[in-house]
Amino acid sequence: QVQLQESGPGLVKPSGTLSLTCVVSGGSMRSTNGWSWVRQPPGKGLEWIGEIYHSGSINYNPSLKSRVTISVDKSKNHFSLKLSSVTAADTAVYFCARVSRIVVVEDATQESTYYFDYWGQGTLVTVSS
Amino acid sequence: DIQMTQSPSSLSASVGDRVTITCRASQSIRGFLNWYQQKPGKAPELLIFAASNLLSGVPSRFSGSGSGTDFTLTVSSLQPEDFATYFCQQSYSIPSTFGQGTKLEIK
Repeated sequence: QVQLQESGPGLVKPSGTLSLTCVVSGGSMRSTNGWSWVRQPPGKGLEWIGEIYHSGSINYNPSLKSRVTISVDKSKNHFSLKLSSVTAADTAVYFCARVSRIVVVEDATQESTYYFDYWGQGTLVTVSS
Repeated sequence: DIQMTQSPSSLSASVGDRVTITCRASQSIRGFLNWYQQKPGKAPELLIFAASNLLSGVPSRFSGSGSGTDFTLTVSSLQPEDFATYFCQQSYSIPSTFGQGTKLEIK
């Protein structure tokens, strides 16, 4: 059973850098799966931050792209998130998640799609002085 | 970005009821729509992927349908453990976006 666990400081000062790590157990990060970060401000909805694949391919949400870095250390079975120049608006529960890709038949053609099938429990990061 | 709009935002129902939640995309996303259930203080859990495919282990009372811009999640007979918040997510284009959520409460 794949398990993900986030860790990192729960409090970050404004203008500082938020740094989180997600440890993956019960499965290899050398597979074709991707690894993603999603956040949820208190009482609000979900926002996709970005993802990284075994191939080295990385995608970021354009709204955060200038401040985000996602990296992976396959030898240690973990991946990381750095978000710079944080403000109170970055206060949220941060989740890591596994991205699984599948091929579906769409309009009689094969298409690749994905979903988040395993999630960490989430970690609250508060931005405050 | 593709906007995902769910309706209703909240819903009160009783055990045994049949309920339907709607998710509308601001442009066609073909069949690339996933549904998640989230309980308070927990991570979301995948229920349905690619609009209508039930994840293994998810009870068959959950079903999804739709294509293009309009999608539905139906629970055929609500059980006590189904009272939660439900989110749709489009996996058609980057950035992936989620609906604002539908909170399903006990009447």
